[in-house]
Amino acid sequence: DTEVTQTPKHLVMGMTNKKSLKCEQHMGHRAMYWYKQKAKKPPELMFVYSYEKLSINESVPSRFSPECPNSSLLNLHLHALQPEDSALYLCASSQGRLAGGKTYEQYFGPGTRLTVT
Amino acid sequence: GNSVTQMEGPVTLSEEAFLTINCTYTATGYPSLFWYVQYPGEGLQLLLKATKADDKGSNKGFEATYRKETTSFHLEKGSVQVSDSAVYFCALSVDTGRRALTFGSGTRLQVQP
Repeated sequence: DTEVTQTPKHLVMGMTNKKSLKCEQHMGHRAMYWYKQKAKKPPELMFVYSYEKLSINESVPSRFSPECPNSSLLNLHLHALQPEDSALYLCASSQGRLAGGKTYEQYFGPGTRLTVT
Repeated sequence: GNSVTQMEGPVTLSEEAFLTINCTYTATGYPSLFWYVQYPGEGLQLLLKATKADDKGSNKGFEATYRKETTSFHLEKGSVQVSDSAVYFCALSVDTGRRALTFGSGTRLQVQP
């Protein structure tokens, strides 16, 4: 099973709202990722968690707040977003430790399509 | 730094035509190479991978060979179907440092019946 699930599938929120995106995997992967994808562009890395610790933050604005409650779950908390934050938000996971060993492929979820009004 | 260059799209083909999507890369370290496919309204699916020079990745009739001498990883399929219409991303990950994926810009494939 190589499934990564994400909820919700679609989300519309106002600029003053607080919402959360959720991601789950049961493959025993120890690295999890958040990406942002705008239309007709490749995914852009936002955050990486390795063994439930935040290891990479790609200078993402603080209105995006990631959380990794356990090895299977990854959340992205959203607050005071701007219309330009509207995008497809993708979660991914992979085996292994980032600091050593071979490179493993990443498995992506179906994404949450976010619209900020 | 690391980068991936893909051919501009869209690529428009008739059903059963031969497909090639070019991908070249630059990398510090020894990269693993991947092709991902994204169907309309969906996330990315891993299509195939190669982790060392001369490896050939294959899946669902698609193939790509890791060519270190030309720093290339071109995607090929002998006979495309309408259901292959999607965006294809070439990507790499190196075995040092961040190990995050570096994506190409994507190539849209449209297959007409």
